[in-house]
Amino acid sequence: AQSVTQPDIHITVSEGASLELRCNYSYGATPYLFWYVQSPGQGLQLLLKYFSGDTLVQGIKGFEAEFKRSQSSFNLRKPSVHWSDAAEYFCAVGDVLTGGGNKLTFGTGTQLKVEL
Amino acid sequence: KAGVTQTPRYLIKTRGQQVTLSCSPISGHRSVSWYQQTPGQGLQFLFEYFSETQRNKGNFPGRFSGRQFSNSRSEMNVSTLELGDSALYLCASSRQGDPTGELFFGEGSRLTVL
Repeated sequence: AQSVTQPDIHITVSEGASLELRCNYSYGATPYLFWYVQSPGQGLQLLLKYFSGDTLVQGIKGFEAEFKRSQSSFNLRKPSVHWSDAAEYFCAVGDVLTGGGNKLTFGTGTQLKVEL
Repeated sequence: KAGVTQTPRYLIKTRGQQVTLSCSPISGHRSVSWYQQTPGQGLQFLFEYFSETQRNKGNFPGRFSGRQFSNSRSEMNVSTLELGDSALYLCASSRQGDPTGELFFGEGSRLTVL
């Protein structure tokens, strides 16, 4: 079964500093990979996704992620963090199901705190 | 366009009761998925509906059920509530429900079971 590991439960960075959130996945085939962000009391918003092609994908809010098959990783990066980026970030792998449709398996999330 | 709407946003129930949560997907979206989010288990897939049919189901007991109407609106029901059912229940919609499609999430319904 597929799984997603986010090894960092909490990360604190200073505003303006760079950010990298780690994500490792386990999946038998070429994975569909996603990063979502969740602000307090809110649902999840998609930051970016990877299906195939260029291994460096750009997302919203200045985020990017790099797919590394050899390391089974899909780390999220941002060159300069803003205070409004404080939120919880979830990495997810999508699974094509026998009956069609999709199901996401999420990591446990990384809580980002931004110090001013 | 309007996003995914979930009602109610907050509710409190007691053990043994049942609850029904509602989800209105984005117009034109035919797939609706439900996820449970708890501090201990994280985000877990409950089930997915497409064109009024449950297409996929996660590993939850039969107390958890759902349905989808012809207008793609969906409801999920939890019967005989247990304390462990306290969670944020998130609904997500997508156009066709294929894995390359983006899931659009609602803000969730927060259920507290006392």
